[in-house]
Amino acid sequence: KAGVTQTPRYLIKTRGQQVTLSCSPISGHRSVSWYQQTPGQGLQFLFEYFSETQRNKGNFPGRFSGRQFSNSRSEMNVSTLELGDSALYLCASSAGGTNEKLFFGSGTQLSVL
Amino acid sequence: DQQVKQNSPSLSVQEGRISILNCDYTNSMFDYFLWYKKYPAEGPTFLISISSIKDKNEDGRFTVFLNKSAKHLSLHIVPSQPGDSAVYFCAASPSTSGTYKYIFGTGTRLKVLA
Repeated sequence: KAGVTQTPRYLIKTRGQQVTLSCSPISGHRSVSWYQQTPGQGLQFLFEYFSETQRNKGNFPGRFSGRQFSNSRSEMNVSTLELGDSALYLCASSAGGTNEKLFFGSGTQLSVL
Repeated sequence: DQQVKQNSPSLSVQEGRISILNCDYTNSMFDYFLWYKKYPAEGPTFLISISSIKDKNEDGRFTVFLNKSAKHLSLHIVPSQPGDSAVYFCAASPSTSGTYKYIFGTGTRLKVLA
């Protein structure tokens, strides 16, 4: 079974631009979660989607948004990029029930200059 | 407000010895806990989990202990191997509250010395 695929692996953007990251979950998984990892901050929860609906949202500004398609693939968008948005963005998929372990992709490393 | 805390940013252990990684949480609603291991340039991979109805779960060299009254869990790796060198994250979820998200700690970098 193919794992979680995130594209692209690396991105370099400048302040003020916007960016879209993509995540393809494991086949059959209906839940996709997004996390931001920065040094010293661990993994910060952004949001979680299940069957095209956002079920949970973290404490990030509205510049961070996401969506999920009918095939469970998900995209995350960050508008008006700031230097502090430089981070590793991780996507994780699961079947979507309680106590389901998350399967992570390798992440997209975003650098904002 | 960091609800899941890993107060040791790094830990060095000699090969063959026990590694003990600690995690504290503040939210008494958390009832399901996981440990993940992360190598550089890779996503975290699942190691072991424990539900609040248990106080111990074992899987090979890895054992997780949960002390609910202290809101503390620990991961024991015995014996430690150089390949265990990675960043370890604990995560918690309030599964009975109907939310489907995990709160992660800041991670502990384990270095196993050969």
